[in-house]
Amino acid sequence: GQSLEQPSEVTAVEGAIVQINCTYQTSGFYGLSWYQQHDGGAPTFLSYNALDGLEETGRFSSFLSRSDSYGYLLLQELQMKDSASYFCALSGGYQKVTFGTGTKLQVIP
Amino acid sequence: DAGVTQSPTHLIKTRGQQVTLRCSPKSGHDTVSWYQQALGQGPQFIFQYYEEEERQRGNFPDRFSGHQFPNYSSELNVNALLLGDSALYLCASSRRQGYEQYFGPGTRLTVT
Repeated sequence: GQSLEQPSEVTAVEGAIVQINCTYQTSGFYGLSWYQQHDGGAPTFLSYNALDGLEETGRFSSFLSRSDSYGYLLLQELQMKDSASYFCALSGGYQKVTFGTGTKLQVIP
Repeated sequence: DAGVTQSPTHLIKTRGQQVTLRCSPKSGHDTVSWYQQALGQGPQFIFQYYEEEERQRGNFPDRFSGHQFPNYSSELNVNALLLGDSALYLCASSRRQGYEQYFGPGTRLTVT
């Protein structure tokens, strides 16, 4: 099977940079995705890494290292609205997606 | 362009009953996946439908079944409800070859 681990909670200051780590175990996958979910809301797609390296989308960047079974999401210029849960997720064949345990990010003034 | 829609928003059922949840995918999407999300947990993959057939299935019992219609909309059926089935049920749609999934707002199911 597949499993992904993330820190349960992270606190960061508004305007700062925060990194959310994700380690995984799997026999194979196509890519690593990141989703954001506000309390009471639906998950929304943030980024996808099919290959090793860094992908940048505005204030968000995501990194993947297949050799280390590791990825991270980097959020820059933190805003209060970034307070949410963040999930890493492995994409298998035809989008069978396995989500991680989730990291609750709290942004403080 | 309407996104993914789900109905109903909330549902309360009694143990042993059966429930049907509905999902309409985002326009242009042909693949629908269903997830169960317990409070404080990540979404758990139930199954995925494409071309009206179940293509992938997660680790859920046969009490969980589904259907996809020719217009790509989908239903999730759960029989013989247990207290542990209480959760947020999320529907996500995508293009077959895509990796980005669009989630609906979910149906909050409470089993008493």
